[in-house]
Amino acid sequence: GAGVSQTPSNKVTEKGKYVELRCDPISGHTALYWYRQSLGQGPEFLIYFQGTGAADDSGLPNDRFFAVRPEGSVSTLKIQRTERGDSAVYLCASSALTGGTTEAFFGQGTRLTVV
Amino acid sequence: GQQVMQIPQYQHVQEGEDFTTYCNSSTTLSNIQWYKQRPGGHPVFLIQLVKSGEVKKQKRLTFQFGEAKKNSSLHITATQTTDVGTYFCAGRNGKIIFGKGTRLHILP
Repeated sequence: GAGVSQTPSNKVTEKGKYVELRCDPISGHTALYWYRQSLGQGPEFLIYFQGTGAADDSGLPNDRFFAVRPEGSVSTLKIQRTERGDSAVYLCASSALTGGTTEAFFGQGTRLTVV
Repeated sequence: GQQVMQIPQYQHVQEGEDFTTYCNSSTTLSNIQWYKQRPGGHPVFLIQLVKSGEVKKQKRLTFQFGEAKKNSSLHITATQTTDVGTYFCAGRNGKIIFGKGTRLHILP
């Protein structure tokens, strides 16, 4: 596809459950970013991948959150023992990191609701 | 850690009036980017500024990057209803850190 794809678009889960959120970046984009956005707030940085490795994971709030990108393309954000405070829209973005402009292209997001 | 602050949080203007949002970083940035997010949508890239003191224009939008590469502004001339949304600055030093945004409301 032409853009960043995130699945599922909506996820409702019970408190304490495990969830996985998937991001399919634009083909060839080496950089991939995960953000969390609550209503009325800006995107909150979680983690940034360069290729397969996490270049910066300083935004992950605690050890319940983990993300992988094993082949340098698709990424999965994993949240263990979900809490109601984890409810938010999780945004993924990818970027080429070559050439003059390194804009980030965002997916439509996954709206996570923990009940 | 790196922080990006943005003011004002909200701005209501009459259609046709000008609008400005300001962005300030706690650290010197390699570049700064601006994004627009419409209600219910995702952030969409507007522009990137790289050079100290750089000014770029896109039709009615004027973007500036400060001399010290720590602050930036977006000015919209003669706002239109299509300008409604939240405008985010984002500082880039490897990772991209977003400000909290300025939500623009246009009064008809």
